[in-house]
Amino acid sequence: KAGVTQTPRYLIKTRGQQVTLSCSPISGHRSVSWYQQTPGQGLQFLFEYFSETQRNKGNFPGRFSGRQFSNSRSEMNVSTLELGDSALYLCASSNRINSYEQYFGPGTRLTVT
Amino acid sequence: DAKTTQPPSMDCAEGRAANLPCNHSTISGNEYVYWYRQIHSQGPQYIIHGLKNNETNEMASLIITEDRKSSTLILPHATLRDTAVYYCIVTSYDKVIFGPGTSLSVIP
Repeated sequence: KAGVTQTPRYLIKTRGQQVTLSCSPISGHRSVSWYQQTPGQGLQFLFEYFSETQRNKGNFPGRFSGRQFSNSRSEMNVSTLELGDSALYLCASSNRINSYEQYFGPGTRLTVT
Repeated sequence: DAKTTQPPSMDCAEGRAANLPCNHSTISGNEYVYWYRQIHSQGPQYIIHGLKNNETNEMASLIITEDRKSSTLILPHATLRDTAVYYCIVTSYDKVIFGPGTSLSVIP
């Protein structure tokens, strides 16, 4: 099976802009979670989707949002970008709800200037 | 704050067993222990998880103490490719919190 894919792999944006990142889970996986990783804060949970519904949410401001489509593909959006949003954004999929046996993609490296 | 405490770094000789400890003294009855590792510049990789019994798979063994307040991940024969940051997390599936992990260096 193909692994989790994320696009784009690298992105440079300017403060105040918005960005949309995409994640395609492993075929058959219906749960998708998003994480932010920075050198200072480490790996932080953003949110989890299952069957197009947000199931869990981490402690991030409302500028961070996501959605999941009927084919389980997911997108996350960050509006009004700030310099501190520069990070590696990771997507992970699982074939079960309430399971953290997750398979991660390679991530999208976002740089905000 | 993370619910787990791990040593920041460890070394292990190639071919020897790597034993990575994790303290989770505030773990509650319905929380599982998960282990992941992250090799530089890659996404984290799931290793193993357990509730209270010891678990083994093709990658590693997980030993959980009887009181569940700590656990040990065992890589039976460490190789250079096992050099990575290892994360121990506990979760009851409402959210997951990763701590800073243990940076394991496997030395030739």
